[in-house]
Amino acid sequence: KQEVTQIPAALSVPEGENLVLNCSFTDSAIYNLQWFRQDPGKGLTSLLLIQSSQREQTSGRLNASLDKSSGRSTLYIAASQPGDSATYLCAPFDQGGKLIFGQGTELSVKP
Amino acid sequence: DAGITQSPRHKVTETGTPVTLRCHQTENHRYMYWYRQDPGHGLRLIHYSYGVKDTDKGEVSDGYSVSRSKTEDFLLTLESATSSQTSVYFCAISEFGTVQETQYFGPGTRLLVL
Repeated sequence: KQEVTQIPAALSVPEGENLVLNCSFTDSAIYNLQWFRQDPGKGLTSLLLIQSSQREQTSGRLNASLDKSSGRSTLYIAASQPGDSATYLCAPFDQGGKLIFGQGTELSVKP
Repeated sequence: DAGITQSPRHKVTETGTPVTLRCHQTENHRYMYWYRQDPGHGLRLIHYSYGVKDTDKGEVSDGYSVSRSKTEDFLLTLESATSSQTSVYFCAISEFGTVQETQYFGPGTRLLVL
């Protein structure tokens, strides 16, 4: 059974810092991997999808990498802003298109 | 944002009552999913559909059934609601197997079972 772990569980940083969120998964036979953010009381917003043939994907200040063989993905956020405060969720796809979620990293960016 | 709506957005019901949640999409995506989100458990898949009338179970399907008679609608039914089904329910859609595989989520339904 696929298990997804996200470290750290919570992170508080001052505005402007670059930061890295980590995601590990136990079964490397994943199809793709998706990163989301969730604001309190809200739904999930897709940030990046990394296909299994890719090693990284970039969108604005976000960069996500994927190493299937080691069961790891990282989300890099450059020049963090208070508006980046949210919970970040990592979710690998299995071959049937189903997502398995980690517990998330709760990020707080202080002005 | 992907065109996904969920109804109702909030519901309070009593134990033993049947409840149906609706997910409606305007994107014509083939795949639709129902998840629940609970503190300490994160998001878990309940059921999913890969086409009209084609559905399958997820990780936590006991006590739930689904139906999909049209591409745009995916219904989740709690046959006899229990307090353990108090949760936030999210619907999602995707075009898995194509170049548009990103999974998009609806705004959620908060269900309280008393």
